[in-house]
Amino acid sequence: KQEVTQIPAALSVPEGENLVLNCSFTDSAIYNLQWFRQDPGKGLTSLLLIQSSQREQTSGRLNASLDKSSGRSTLYIAASQPGDSATYLCAVRDGAGNNRKLIWGLGTSLAVNP
Amino acid sequence: DVKVTQSSRYLVKRTGEKVFLECVQDMDHENMFWYRQDPGLGLRLIYFSYDVKMKEKGDIPEGYSVSREKKERFSLILESASTNQTSMYLCASSPVGGINYGYTFGSGTRLTVV
Repeated sequence: KQEVTQIPAALSVPEGENLVLNCSFTDSAIYNLQWFRQDPGKGLTSLLLIQSSQREQTSGRLNASLDKSSGRSTLYIAASQPGDSATYLCAVRDGAGNNRKLIWGLGTSLAVNP
Repeated sequence: DVKVTQSSRYLVKRTGEKVFLECVQDMDHENMFWYRQDPGLGLRLIYFSYDVKMKEKGDIPEGYSVSREKKERFSLILESASTNQTSMYLCASSPVGGINYGYTFGSGTRLTVV
């Protein structure tokens, strides 16, 4: 059974730092992996989607990598800003079972301090 | 450009009431999903639908039902609301295939049952 883990659960950094959020999964048979952002009390905003055949995706200051063999993805945020403060969730679209469902991590709560 | 719309941001209902949560998407997606999100438990799938009039149970369907009469609309129904159904409810949609078949979420409905 696929499990997704995000470490750390919370992170606090000063503005301007480059940072890495981690996501690990137990079964490498995935269709894709998606990173989301959630602001307090709000819905989820999709940040990046990496297909199983891809190694990374970039959008602005964000870069997401995928290493299926080791069951890991990282979200790199360059030059962090207070506006990046949010919870970041990763989810894998599982290929082993019902491929219409996502398996979710619990998220990393990020605080970027001015 | 809002793509997944949930009809209410906040709702307060009484125990025993029948509650309808509505979700509409304008992307012609086949798949639609209802999640609830609770602190420490993450996102849990309640029901999903991969076609009009089709539905499948997710991980926690008890106490809920759904309706999908049209492709763009997916309704979640709490037959008799209870206090343990107080939660954030999130609707999402995704296409069946294609290169970028990620999920798009609505802004969420915060339901309080008193």
